[in-house]
Amino acid sequence: QKEVEQNSGPLSVPEGAIASLNCTYSDRGSQSFFWYRQYSGKSPELIMFIYSNGDKEDGRFTAQLNKASQYVSLLIRDSQPSDSATYLCAVTTWTEKLTFGTGTRLTIIP
Amino acid sequence: GAVVSQHPSRVICKSGTSVKIECRSLDFQATTMFWYRQFPKQSLMLMATSNEGSKATYEQGVEKDKFLINHASLTLSTLTVTSAHPEDSSFYICSARSTSGSPLTPSYEQYFGPGTRLTVT
Repeated sequence: QKEVEQNSGPLSVPEGAIASLNCTYSDRGSQSFFWYRQYSGKSPELIMFIYSNGDKEDGRFTAQLNKASQYVSLLIRDSQPSDSATYLCAVTTWTEKLTFGTGTRLTIIP
Repeated sequence: GAVVSQHPSRVICKSGTSVKIECRSLDFQATTMFWYRQFPKQSLMLMATSNEGSKATYEQGVEKDKFLINHASLTLSTLTVTSAHPEDSSFYICSARSTSGSPLTPSYEQYFGPGTRLTVT
C-alpha cells in the first residue's frame, strides 16, 4: 500500500463548478497535510496546509481533514481554466519530510 | 513572503563535468532545506535533507559523493552534481522549510524554488 494515495485522474470539471480532489494516507502518525499545485514544467506551489481535523478555507480553496478516516481533500470553488494543473497531496510525520502522492491531473473545461 | 529562488534555471553541461545549483530563501531563514529530483511524468523524489551547519542526510540510494550538498548559511544551500552523466539529466528542485505558528504548536511548511533543469550531453 502506498503511503499517500491519490486518484491520478485526469479529472475534468466545467468552468465555474467545484473541483474535488481526494487523498488518503496510511501512517496514522501523520501530523501535517499539504496541497501543492504543479503546472507542467514548473515546481510545486503550496496552496493549502492543514493540521487539525475539520475544514480550512482560503479564498476559493477549502482543505478538509479527517484523521479518523485518514483522509484529506481539497475543494476548489468557481473553477477557472488557470486551475488546470496537477495537484499533489503531501503529508509529514515527525521527520518533517514530505511524502507525496503521485498527483491528480485536473483539467477545467471552459 | 516565503520566496525561494534557485540558480541557474537551466543548465546544459558535458558529461564528466560538475554543476553547482544554488537555492536561496529570500525573505526568511531556513535551518532546513530539501533537495528533490523529478523525472518527466513522475512525482518528486527526495534526495537529501540539508541542515545549516551540519552534514546533509541523504535518502537511500542517493550517492552522497556524487551529489554534494552544502548549507553554509541560513539562507543558502547548494547542490553540486559531480562528474555528471546523461542519466543525471533531470529537474532538480529545492525547498526551504518555514516555521510558523506558536512556540508550543509550531508548524512547518515547505516552499519550493522554481527548479533547475539539468541536461547532460
